[in-house]
Formats: sequence, C-alpha cells, structure tokens
Amino acid sequence: EVQLVESGGGLVQPGGSLRLSCAASGFTFSNYDMHWVRQATGKGLEWVSSIGTAGDTYYPGSVKGRFTISRENAKNSLYLQMNSLRAGDTAVYYCARGHNWNHFDNWGQGTLVTVSS
Amino acid sequence: EIVMTQSPATLSVSPGERATLSCRASQNVSSNLAWYQHKPGQAPRLLIYGASTRATGIPARFSGSGSGTEFTLTISSLQSEDFAVYYCQQYNNWPPLYTFGQGTKLEIK
Repeated sequence: EVQLVESGGGLVQPGGSLRLSCAASGFTFSNYDMHWVRQATGKGLEWVSSIGTAGDTYYPGSVKGRFTISRENAKNSLYLQMNSLRAGDTAVYYCARGHNWNHFDNWGQGTLVTVSS
Repeated sequence: EIVMTQSPATLSVSPGERATLSCRASQNVSSNLAWYQHKPGQAPRLLIYGASTRATGIPARFSGSGSGTEFTLTISSLQSEDFAVYYCQQYNNWPPLYTFGQGTKLEIK
C-alpha cells in the first residue's frame, strides 16, 4: 500500500524558514516524480513544486526563489525547504506522487504551516 | 498560465440523484485533465485522469468526459460518501505548471 506521511509543519514568524518532510513507503520511491501541493483555509488546491527522478525541479512563480524541493532516495523521503515565509504561505501542505508528470495518484494527509507573528 | 474554472461553486443534490460538475480550461489542454475528491481532514483522492479514465478502485458511478477546454464529471447515483469538494486539474504544460480549478462543493440537499 502506498503511504505518504508529511511532517515538519508548525507556527513560524514572517520571514522565517521551515523544512517539511514526506516519508514514502509501499512503492519504489526513486522511480516517481514527486510534488508538493498546498491548500490555504477556505481556498482551493495550489501546486507548489515538483521534482523528477533525475532531480530536476520546477516551481510556480509564487514560490520560486523562496522554496526548494529535494529528495533523498536512500531514505524514501521528499523535502520542501521554505524560506522568507509570508502570511500568504499559511496552508496545509500535501505531498503527492506523480504519474509520469501527469496526474497525482497518491497523496498524503498534509501538514499545517502557519505563518504569523 | 492555464486557468481552470469550475461550476457551480456549490451543488446541492439528494442521495440517489445524479450530479454533473463542470470544468473549463482557458486554453486547450487536450485530454490532460484529472478530477480529485477531497474531504475535510483527508488526503485528496484521484478519481479520473486522462479526462475519462477511472483511477484504480473508483466506483463505476463516477465518469468523466470532455476534451480541449470543456470537461464534465458525472456521479450517476449519489451515495452519502460522495459529498465532498471536487477539483479538476490540468497537466498539459511542459515544463510543468499544474493548475487546479477552485473546486465544486457537493452538498446534501
């Protein structure tokens, strides 16, 4: 069974940093593109970042230059380093497994990030 | 950026009835469209990909149709567990620039 478990969320001040982790199990992690998606309270889903099997990374303009996605295949883990955080980054962050850069076929339960003073 | 627009924002339907949800893309995305179901406190769940292919384990009452810019998710006979928020997502870009619709909340009438 595919499992994705996020951790690392919490309360951080504006301008601060936070590192999220996603522990994967039940599949060969190194063979899949992986993604982060977030949902602010009362809002829809927003794509945050992606990483391919070769370590290629992609971001939307809203987080480019502030967030860094990475992976450690030996540990079956995905990471999201978030710097220069803003109130608008407050959201539940989901880790998702991609299917050949198409749809996202498995998701974690999410971890809450709150940016507030 | 491709903008995805879902309608209606909220849909009230009685159990056993049919629900039809719409998704429109601001430009042609071919069949590169997925639908997800999301319940509060849970992981989003893939329902449909390739505009019309049901994901593994998804009941036959869920069906997707459309291509290009107009897409529909139909739930043929609503069960209590189907009341949730539904999102469409396009994946037609390279480099990837995934975008989601704003969601349709399906509520019990």
